[in-house]
Amino acid sequence: DAGITQSPRHKVTETGTPVTLRCHQTENHRYMYWYRQDPGHGLRLIHYSYGVKDTDKGEVSDGYSVSRSKTEDFLLTLESATSSQTSVYFCAIRAGVSSGNTIYFGEGSWLTVV
Amino acid sequence: QKEVEQDPGPLSVPEGAIVSLNCTYSNSAFQYFMWYRQYSRKGPELLMYTYSSGNKEDGRFTAQVDKSSKYISLFIRDSQPSDSATYLCAMSAESGANNLFFGTGTRLTVIP
Repeated sequence: DAGITQSPRHKVTETGTPVTLRCHQTENHRYMYWYRQDPGHGLRLIHYSYGVKDTDKGEVSDGYSVSRSKTEDFLLTLESATSSQTSVYFCAIRAGVSSGNTIYFGEGSWLTVV
Repeated sequence: QKEVEQDPGPLSVPEGAIVSLNCTYSNSAFQYFMWYRQYSRKGPELLMYTYSSGNKEDGRFTAQVDKSSKYISLFIRDSQPSDSATYLCAMSAESGANNLFFGTGTRLTVIP
């Protein structure tokens, strides 16, 4: 258990509305990530953070923004949700060198945009 | 061409069978290889982590990397119904890389 909590776990929203997903970690990891998972595409990186207020774009960042005001929280915002953003969103953390610098995932947030 | 290719299956085997799951990749710079197991409606969980070529064994699981062929495998011995899940391969060129390259996953069902 990597101590990752995602909220909400399930959400249905309307096209054009803003949506924020929250990722909370309890183990003070520096690196945090947001991925989305879609059939036929696998897991794709949206944004990541390497510290408080330090973020960078991933492979599929268009239409998403992130913020990290505290080490433990990493927020993903869809400013104006579209149907193409219907997906499963996974937050992840990077464990330290002693754990092989590997990435561990949360339980996921299922988002449906109607 | 995708960086990582993985047969999506589905793959069904009887309990006790040896399972072979595979991924191929195109980037010769990849050196770090991972296998994740993902149960339905759950997040991926790290199963195996290997560096460069060779084999790594952990209980019933063996990860194998053949860099010359750009091919990695996960073997499951004495498969159990609890092994029924989707298996994802992932890889990167550097330790601690911020972007892993994932396969799309192979769905495995072990039939009692």
